[in-house]
Amino acid sequence: DGGITQSPKYLFRKEGQNVTLSCEQNLNHDAMYWYRQDPGQGLRLIYYSQIVNDFQKGDIAEGYSVSREKKESFPLTVTSAQKNPTAFYLCASSPRLSHNEQFFGPGTRLTVL
Amino acid sequence: GENVEQHPSTLSVQEGDSAVIKCTYSDSASNYFPWYKQELGKRPQLIIDIRSNVGEKKDQRIAVTLNKTAKHFSLHITETQPEDSAVYFCAASMGEKLTFGTGTRLTIIP
Repeated sequence: DGGITQSPKYLFRKEGQNVTLSCEQNLNHDAMYWYRQDPGQGLRLIYYSQIVNDFQKGDIAEGYSVSREKKESFPLTVTSAQKNPTAFYLCASSPRLSHNEQFFGPGTRLTVL
Repeated sequence: GENVEQHPSTLSVQEGDSAVIKCTYSDSASNYFPWYKQELGKRPQLIIDIRSNVGEKKDQRIAVTLNKTAKHFSLHITETQPEDSAVYFCAASMGEKLTFGTGTRLTIIP
């Protein structure tokens, strides 16, 4: 299960606080993604990045922000503007020129109190 | 954008029987259709995928079929075993971005 890591596994924050979730990969993948998983709703794309210093909004980007300063790292910040931030967050990566197989990290479960 | 619908949301089958999960997609330009399995508390993992130039693909007990005209694809699991119990997600893509279905919780009854 190595290659792509997320930390921490569980995260608790008070309402109104920003929080940053870590995602690191050593697979030399160009593309990285953030998904949110809620019961019964599958995986919904928040942001994705196909190259360093470039990223695009996914389907539910409001209230989130990202950066891609290094190829290996794609941190996600959940801001106080996100109305319902409590969820399971999954990071993934894929080789830019592959047939799109994505490799997932173990996830971070965020609970906002 | 792409929209993927997945059915059923839950499925229970007797051990040894077959299970079928179906997905439809909206964008005819989609050309890559993976299936992911997520066991309880674990990360999703790719189990099989199919590209638009292929109609069927098999890997031991699992198979995927694709009907481009009807824009639907299906996952077939034969001779089900207890370890097949998990949530299965279909997805569709025409580039780097995947659109996932809402998942099917498969339970194998011993």
